[in-house]
Amino acid sequence: ETGVTQSPTHLIKTRGQQVTLRCSSQSGHNTVSWYQQALGQGPQFIFQYYREEENGRGNFPPRFSGLQFPNYSSELNVNALELDDSALYLCASSPAQGIDTQYFGPGTRLTVL
Amino acid sequence: EDQVTQSPEALRLQEGESSSLNCSYTVSGLRGLFWYRQDPGKGPEFLFTLYSAGEEKEKERLKATLTKKESFLHITAPKPEDSATYLCAVQAGSEKLVFGKGTKLTVNP
Repeated sequence: ETGVTQSPTHLIKTRGQQVTLRCSSQSGHNTVSWYQQALGQGPQFIFQYYREEENGRGNFPPRFSGLQFPNYSSELNVNALELDDSALYLCASSPAQGIDTQYFGPGTRLTVL
Repeated sequence: EDQVTQSPEALRLQEGESSSLNCSYTVSGLRGLFWYRQDPGKGPEFLFTLYSAGEEKEKERLKATLTKKESFLHITAPKPEDSATYLCAVQAGSEKLVFGKGTKLTVNP
């Protein structure tokens, strides 16, 4: 069984640029959540996708957007990058909505200069 | 607002020295409490899910317990490879997990 995968592993961007991060969910999982983890902090919920629809959003501005595809893979897009967007971005998948364990990928480390 | 507080922030143990990590939470209607292990620069690795007060789960040297206000992660006779940051998260009335800041555990040989 293949786990959650994310690409790229590392990314360096400059302020004002746009970035797209990708996630492939674990086999059989139809729900994908995205989290931002700043250094020394716990992960913060960005949003969740279920069957290609946004299904809950955390306290992040609209320049954070996402997509889920029919194969349940997902993208996180961030426009107009700011220095504070530098963080580890984590994707997690779960078999369904509700009380189900979320399994995390290895993350993408984004550095904004 | 749902809140999770983990203590201590950091813990140093000698190999074989048992201890406990604490996770206290304030939520409206707990649906599940989760423990994860995170190595530096990596994604969190799932350890346990607890659903109701009184529940306990074990895996190797780790045992997680849950009360109505807090959860404990007990580590028995730890080894250096248990060194990591341990994250606690709760799920309440929505889809998101709310995480604490974690406890950084260092086990010296």
